Parts: sequence; structure tokens; C-alpha cells
Amino acid sequence: KAGVTQTPRYLIKTRGQQVTLSCSPISGHRSVSWYQQTPGQGLQFLFEYFSETQRNKGNFPGRFSGRQFSNSRSEMNVSTLELGDSALYLCASSWKTGGDTEAFFGQGTRLTVV
Amino acid sequence: GESVGLHLPTLSVQEGDNSIINCAYSNSASDYFIWYKQESGKGPQFIIDIRSNMDKRQGQRVTVLLNKTVKHLSLQIAATQPGDSAVYFCAENGFTSGTYKYIFGTGTRLKVLA
Repeated sequence: KAGVTQTPRYLIKTRGQQVTLSCSPISGHRSVSWYQQTPGQGLQFLFEYFSETQRNKGNFPGRFSGRQFSNSRSEMNVSTLELGDSALYLCASSWKTGGDTEAFFGQGTRLTVV
Repeated sequence: GESVGLHLPTLSVQEGDNSIINCAYSNSASDYFIWYKQESGKGPQFIIDIRSNMDKRQGQRVTVLLNKTVKHLSLQIAATQPGDSAVYFCAENGFTSGTYKYIFGTGTRLKVLA
């Protein structure tokens, strides 16, 4: 069974630009969560989507948004990029929402803002 | 903000010895816990989980202990091998602030010395 797939793996953007990252969950999984990972802050929860609806949201500004499609694939968008947005963005899929179930992670997208 | 903390940021052990990685969690309502392993350039990989109705769970060479009284979680790795070198995260999941979500620690780097 294929794992969680994130594209692209690496991305370099300029301040002020916007970026869209993609995540394809494991087949049959309907929950996709997004995380930002930086050396100083560790893994920070961005948001979770389940059945095309945002179920949970972390403490990130409105520049960070996401969506989920009917096939459970999810995209994350960051507008007006700042240098501090440079990070590894990870998505994780689960077969259900509500916690208490294993979340499988993708390899991540390394975003560098210059 | 909300956090799951770790006592030791870096742990160095001799190959063949046992490793113990500790974690303090913050939410007494958390009822599901996971340990993840993250190797360089990869996404976090599930190691073992435990629910709050248990205090010990064993896997292959790994054991997780949960002490709910002091909100403490530990990961024991038996006969540590070079391939165990990685960053290890603990994560808690529970109903907090009106929703379920994972909270991750900042990670402990395990270095296995030959």
C-alpha cells in the first residue's frame, strides 16, 4: 500500500510570494493533518481536514490555509511568504478523525524563503 | 503555549546498551500517546503507541511506559543499534480546547556510539 506522498520535496520561494503544497494520503484515509517543523519550535500543528472539512486548526496566521478534495488529497497554501516560513512542512494521514489512531507521515516538503 | 516536553535534548549511548528517552506531557486529559522516530531527511515514523488505560506496552526491542500520576512517558530501546540513531518525538492526543489534536515534543536526538 502506498504511503503518504507530498509534493514537491523541495521548494525555494521569494518573500511576498505564495506557495501551494500537496499531500496525497494513504488510500482509504480521510483525515489529513498538516504540521510545520522547524529546529526551534519542533512540530507545530497547522490544521486537520476530514471529509473536505477543516476539523481542527492550530495557532497560525490566516496566511496559512488549506483544503481537501473529494479524493481526500489535501493542499496547503501560504500567502505573502515571510523568511520565518522556511521550514519542513509535513502532512499526516489517518483513517479517522478524533485522535487515538496512528497518524502516518509523508517525507515532507522543505520550503526555503529567500 | 501547549507543549509536550523532553528532559534530554541529546542522548548518546554505546551500541548494545539500552536507551531510555523521557517525555513529560502537559494535558492530564490526554488519552493516547505515540513515539515517533525521525531520521534525517525523512518524515516521522511510528514506533509504538499506548493508551491511557495501560501503563506499559512492548514492541520489538521497544517498550513504552506511561505514568499518568506524574504525566510522564518513556521509551526504552533494548540493545541499541546504529540504525536507531535518529530524533525521537513523543506525542500526546486528547480532547483539549474543544477539539482533538496531537501535541508533539521538540524531540530528543539519540546518538549511538560504535
